[in-house]
Amino acid sequence: DGGITQSPKYLFRKEGQNVTLSCEQNLNHDAMYWYRQDPGQGLRLIYYSQIVNDFQKGDIAEGYSVSREKKESFPLTVTSAQKNPTAFYLCASSSGTTKINEQFFGPGTRLTVL
Amino acid sequence: AQKITQTQPGMFVQEKEAVTLDCTYDTSDPSYGLFWYKQPSSGEMIFLIYQGSYDQQNATEGRYSLNFQKARKSANLVISASQLGDSAMYFCAMRPLNTNAGKSTFGDGTTLTVKP
Repeated sequence: DGGITQSPKYLFRKEGQNVTLSCEQNLNHDAMYWYRQDPGQGLRLIYYSQIVNDFQKGDIAEGYSVSREKKESFPLTVTSAQKNPTAFYLCASSSGTTKINEQFFGPGTRLTVL
Repeated sequence: AQKITQTQPGMFVQEKEAVTLDCTYDTSDPSYGLFWYKQPSSGEMIFLIYQGSYDQQNATEGRYSLNFQKARKSANLVISASQLGDSAMYFCAMRPLNTNAGKSTFGDGTTLTVKP
């Protein structure tokens, strides 16, 4: 079945460590996104990519990095520079070719810094 | 800059009744799309309904309808015949339509609880 997978579902990190969250899609979508969600709040855009080998910063990119070497993959690295990384991270994709162009979301990764 | 405001942090509704979740927005983009998503406690985001800024008719998808009032910049979600499974967090979002991957802006959400 087509969809978006994120791994791991839960991730624990010690302070000062970099961690990488995986996001894979087999929907053949061009655009991919990373969002952060804090408890009781909405989604905030970290990075997005419209095409392979290109990506743009979102509203809260500081302390994060991404790569887009393949169309189906958009990994997010949370670096030690991110001061408060504990949050729920959601990856999404969209085709860019439909009228609605809605985003399809993965199941999310819950990151906790110990 | 885009802004979405959801003024109801929490809402309660009796099973089988209708409920309206409020959403107001602000944007300078002439062409935009408005989206509603449902987020159950498991965390995944489920797309519910879409309204384009130039669509003449209000969108409907099964028990979901969108009350779009462009002049008032509001896009309220109406859920008819509420079910226990509708209990979740609901987000209103907006995106400009002049790019393939325009930046989406989300509201802070409304937590809906359906009472039996």
